[in-house]
Amino acid sequence: NAGVTQTPKFQVLKTGQSMTLQCAQDMNHNSMYWYRQDPGMGLRLIYYSASEGTTDKGEVPNGYNVSRLNKREFSLRLESAAPSQTSVYFCASRGKAYNEQFFGPGTRLTVL
Amino acid sequence: QKEVEQNSGPLSVPEGAIASLNCTYSDRGSQSFFWYRQYSGKSPELIMSIYSNGDKEDGRFTAQLNKASQYVSLLIRDSQPSDSATYLCAVNREGGGADGLTFGKGTHLIIQP
Repeated sequence: NAGVTQTPKFQVLKTGQSMTLQCAQDMNHNSMYWYRQDPGMGLRLIYYSASEGTTDKGEVPNGYNVSRLNKREFSLRLESAAPSQTSVYFCASRGKAYNEQFFGPGTRLTVL
Repeated sequence: QKEVEQNSGPLSVPEGAIASLNCTYSDRGSQSFFWYRQYSGKSPELIMSIYSNGDKEDGRFTAQLNKASQYVSLLIRDSQPSDSATYLCAVNREGGGADGLTFGKGTHLIIQP
């Protein structure tokens, strides 16, 4: 039981390049989330998916797109990366008990 | 704008003492509250959840909730050097719905041997 997994662990992009961050969970959770964490800003919600087939914007969605591929997988895409998107990205899934969320190991992204 | 406030620290506590971490939140409709521990370079790890007023104990950890004062706290008894980390307070955005959590910026805790 791996919990929440994310790939890649590290990535360096040039401004304007695109990439997709992958997330998968094996806990049979319905809801999944993407957060970014920046120094001095804390964790901020980018997008979430309450269930397979649905996605909604969070606090900071601009510059990102998401896809809930199936119940297990939730991907985050940067179409044209900008230096302001340099951050650590965490995927999380929501357990059955209220709003407990469990986090993946994170992707450290640098945009030059 | 829903907000969660924490003292950023660092909070320095001697080994074996009680560490007390505090958090206030702005949304009176919040219904679930969480404490996460985050080691440097690692992901947040859920250590406590609390949903009703009062205290909840789990091992060396006690979470306290006062909805009237919009205040959540975490006590760590018999603090160990391994407790040195950043502690994040999180609150559900809506009434138990599937949308995300609002996090404080975290308190950096240092346990001095």
